[in-house]
Amino acid sequence: DGGITQSPKYLFRKEGQNVTLSCEQNLNHDAMYWYRQDPGQGLRLIYYSQIVNDFQKGDIAEGYSVSREKKESFPLTVTSAQKNPTAFYLCASSLGTVSNQPQHFGDGTRLSIL
Amino acid sequence: GESVGLHLPTLSVQEGDNSIINCAYSNSASDYFIWYKQESGKGPQFIIDIRSNMDKRQGQRVTVLLNKTVKHLSLQIAATQPGDSAVYFCAEKSLGNEKLTFGTGTRLTIIP
Repeated sequence: DGGITQSPKYLFRKEGQNVTLSCEQNLNHDAMYWYRQDPGQGLRLIYYSQIVNDFQKGDIAEGYSVSREKKESFPLTVTSAQKNPTAFYLCASSLGTVSNQPQHFGDGTRLSIL
Repeated sequence: GESVGLHLPTLSVQEGDNSIINCAYSNSASDYFIWYKQESGKGPQFIIDIRSNMDKRQGQRVTVLLNKTVKHLSLQIAATQPGDSAVYFCAEKSLGNEKLTFGTGTRLTIIP
């Protein structure tokens, strides 16, 4: 089946620790995105990538980092600089960023602080 | 700044009835709109989209209406079923913009 796979489903972070969330897609999409969702709120864009080896900051990039070494993969690292990391993290992909194509989402990773 | 919002945060509908979820947007340059359904603990699922050169689009049991004059978007779900219970988000994008802007969502509850 084609789709977007996020892992792990649940993740716990200790104080001062960096953690990495995985996102893999086999849809052959060029663009990939990371969003953060807090309870009762909409999705806020953290980072996005239009093509391999290129990415841009979204609206709330502080305390996060990404890489795009392969078309299929767009991992997100939540660094110790992110002081309020507890949230539901969603990865998405689309054919392109500028063209009018829907984004398709994975089933998310829920990150909590120990 | 631009915003996408919803008129009602919650909506309860009797099973079998039709439901209408509304969304207001403020960006006059918005030219592409999407509705997503999100079930508990899952990612948003694409339902239907519409471009600004259309005012209506139909899918299976769903219809999206776009009124550009008043910057209003609605999602109609016909003959609601228990499986329709979820949070529904609208999102918009303007021409040449790389980002989608999401509303905060409406929780739809289907009453058996």
